[in-house]
Amino acid sequence: GQQLNQSPQSMFIQEGEDVSMNCTSSSIFNTWLWYKQEPGEGPVLLIALYKAGELTSNGRLTAQFGITRKDSFLNISASIPSDVGIYFCAGQVGRAGTASKLTFGTGTRLQVTL
Amino acid sequence: NAGVMQNPRHLVRRRGQEARLRCSPMKGHSHVYWYRQLPEEGLKFMVYLQKENIIDESGMPKERFSAEFPKEGPSILRIQQVVRGDSAAYFCASSANRGYTGELFFGEGSRLTVL
Repeated sequence: GQQLNQSPQSMFIQEGEDVSMNCTSSSIFNTWLWYKQEPGEGPVLLIALYKAGELTSNGRLTAQFGITRKDSFLNISASIPSDVGIYFCAGQVGRAGTASKLTFGTGTRLQVTL
Repeated sequence: NAGVMQNPRHLVRRRGQEARLRCSPMKGHSHVYWYRQLPEEGLKFMVYLQKENIIDESGMPKERFSAEFPKEGPSILRIQQVVRGDSAAYFCASSANRGYTGELFFGEGSRLTVL
């Protein structure tokens, strides 16, 4: 089945540093999304990407949809303590306008120290 | 708050008992998805339902697990004769009916512990 691999698995950074994480797939996805999950809660959508090569920002977050449609990265600039959590990429085979399941990556656990 | 509502948040069952998890989608959504998350792992797709129909159940175990989304009321994920390996967080998500953009909105999850 489809599998999304995220790297790194975990990161320990200092407040103020920039963060970069990526997600690769063995198969093509037509939509990429990035979610954040905090302990005891459900995933919360951060950014959605719909076109190969698309670069999208949401505040301090920037994500790109790889041209091959098999990868995506997420950058967080000037990290703050509330950025702590697990970041998941998720891919969807179906194109926008057609509901279908998401396949989730393995997650990147982010810890921010003061 | 018109978000995805799941209950119970925590459920404890003994081996062999049944577990029922409920999910009410966001207002105006009629697509529901169930995911399972084991500790320290990602979310694994189980089933995708629309009102009264199962669209994709490729992630559902063949035995003991079932899901429904009736015309009226919440979606139910039912686990019969639970075993310790069923202990996990079960998340429900919903998506819009029209103009779907790939965005799934998740509930806070139901955490099942099997003793």
